[in-house]
Amino acid sequence: EPEVTQTPSHQVTQMGQEVILRCVPISNHLYFYWYRQILGQKVEFLVSFYNNEISEKSEIFDDQFSVERPDGSNFTLKIRSTKLEDSAMYFCASSPTVMTTEAFFGQGTRLTVV
Amino acid sequence: DAKTTQPNSMESNEEEPVHLPCNHSTISGTDYIHWYRQLPSQGPEYVIHGLTSNVNNRMASLAIAEDRKSSTLILHRATLRDAAVYYCILRAGDNAGNMLTFGGGTRLMVKP
Repeated sequence: EPEVTQTPSHQVTQMGQEVILRCVPISNHLYFYWYRQILGQKVEFLVSFYNNEISEKSEIFDDQFSVERPDGSNFTLKIRSTKLEDSAMYFCASSPTVMTTEAFFGQGTRLTVV
Repeated sequence: DAKTTQPNSMESNEEEPVHLPCNHSTISGTDYIHWYRQLPSQGPEYVIHGLTSNVNNRMASLAIAEDRKSSTLILHRATLRDAAVYYCILRAGDNAGNMLTFGGGTRLMVKP
């Protein structure tokens, strides 16, 4: 069964460093998303991406964050200068269409900022 | 996004049916009702969705009230693997937005 793949599964980084989280969405999907979940809290939407541009973003997704689909298969989330409060599980998801069908989530990358 | 209300937790016995309720009294005519679940240490997983009619799939059934102000996710025979947090989410079907807004969900505990 096709699945969304995220790498690495766990990333530890120093505060102030840049980090790139990688995702390979399901191959025929058109819509891509990043969500995050701080330990013990709700899953929060960060950004959605369609047709090589951001279609929607939350207040969390400030100038420190960026997304890219560099080669038609990978979908990346970059955090420019990490803060302690960026420590969370980051989930990538993809959908074949947006409104009425399901989103498929990856297993997540646990980001720890020290 | 319209808000949903779910009980914080529920308990079930293994191999018995489970009915997980969700209230969404401010639902709009174009909102789809989606259910996701999150098993421990995993990403959210799609369960089922519907608009007006009841829906069945291999995982569960979704019963939607006639006025659409509430819905119930039905697991016909709970297994230990079904222990998870279940989220009821309204998703706009009119290009108003495509994100999923997760609430606190219902933590389902399944007893052997």
